[in-house]
This record gives sequence, C-alpha cells and structure tokens, in this order.
Amino acid sequence: EAGVAQSPRYKIIEKRQSVAFWCNPISGHATLYWYQQILGQGPKLLIQFQNNGVVDDSQLPKDRFSAERLKGVDSTLKIQPAKLEDSAVYLCASRLAGNYNEQFFGPGTRLTVL
Amino acid sequence: QQQVKQSPQSLIVQKGGISIINCAYENTAFDYFPWYQQFPGKGPALLIAIRPDVSEKKEGRFTISFNKSAKQFSLHIMDSQPGDSATYFCAASRPGNQFYFGTGTSLTVIP
Repeated sequence: EAGVAQSPRYKIIEKRQSVAFWCNPISGHATLYWYQQILGQGPKLLIQFQNNGVVDDSQLPKDRFSAERLKGVDSTLKIQPAKLEDSAVYLCASRLAGNYNEQFFGPGTRLTVL
Repeated sequence: QQQVKQSPQSLIVQKGGISIINCAYENTAFDYFPWYQQFPGKGPALLIAIRPDVSEKKEGRFTISFNKSAKQFSLHIMDSQPGDSATYFCAASRPGNQFYFGTGTSLTVIP
C-alpha cells in the first residue's frame, strides 16, 4: 500500500514570497490533516478535511495560509506571504473515516524562510 | 495552552535498559491516546495506542500504562535497542476532533 506522498521535500524562500505544498493521501482515506511542526515541538494541527469539506481550521492563520482539497483527494497548502516564523516542517496525514483509525503521516516538507 | 504535557524532553538509556516517557492531559473528554515514533527526516508513525477503558496495553517491547484518575499515561520501552533512538510523541484526541501532541522526547539508546 502506497503511503502519504508530499512534495516538495524541501523549500527555501525569501520572506514575503509565496509557497505551495502538495499532498496525496492514501487511497480511500476520507480524512486529511495538515500539521505544522516547528523544530523541537510536536505537530500542531493547521486544518482538517473530511472528504473535500473543512472540519477544523481554527488554528490556521487565515490571513496568510489557505488550503483546499478539491475532489476529496489531493490537497494543497499555500502560504502567502511567508514570514520568518513559518519556517517549519509541514506534515500531511490521512486516515480512514471513523473513530480510532490510524493516522498515517507523509514525510513532510521542510520550509526555510530567509 | 498545552493540552498534553510530555516529559522528559530528552532521555539517554543504555542498551537493554528501560525507557520511560510520561504524558499528562487535562481534558477528560479525550478517549484515544496514541504514541508516535519519529525518525529524522520522516513523518511520525503510530507505535501503539490505548483507550481509557484499559489500564495497560502491551505490544512487543512497548507498553502503555494509563492512569485515568491521574490523567496520565506513559510509554515503557523494554530492552531498549539502538534502533529505538528516535523522537517519541504522545497525543490525545476525542472522536471526530483534532489530535493534540506533546512536545516530544528525544531518546538515545547507547550501545
């Protein structure tokens, strides 16, 4: 079974530039998450999708971050404009619908904002 | 506010020893407590998980102990091996809601 795919793996940008990350979840997984993991910290949820609908985006800085999941499969996360404090690893995870199912993480995208 | 508090931040254990990582939570609505293992450059991977209807769950060398009244749970790694060297995260969630992660414990197992 193929895992969660993310691209790019690494990205370096200047502050105030824009960046986009892509995630392809495991086939059949209705729930998709985007997390931000700052160095030395645990993952923090940015947004949770159920199919193509948003379940929770309460911690998404909506003035600069946006995310979409068209057709309930792939998802993109965008930052526009980026700030220095956005430097982090952005993790995508997916799981089957229903409670207590395992959450599978992708390898993440390491973003460095200079 | 940190929903899940994890300690210690780092841990060094001799090969064959026992590694113990502790977590505490406040929200009594949480009913699912997974532990994740993360290697450098990789995403977290589920190691073992427990629900509060049991006080202990064991899978191989890994055991979760759960104390519902104290709102604490811990991960025990028996016979620790150098290949166990990684960062470990506890987490908590309730049905349909987000996962709250601890701050992580960097485990180093010395040969």
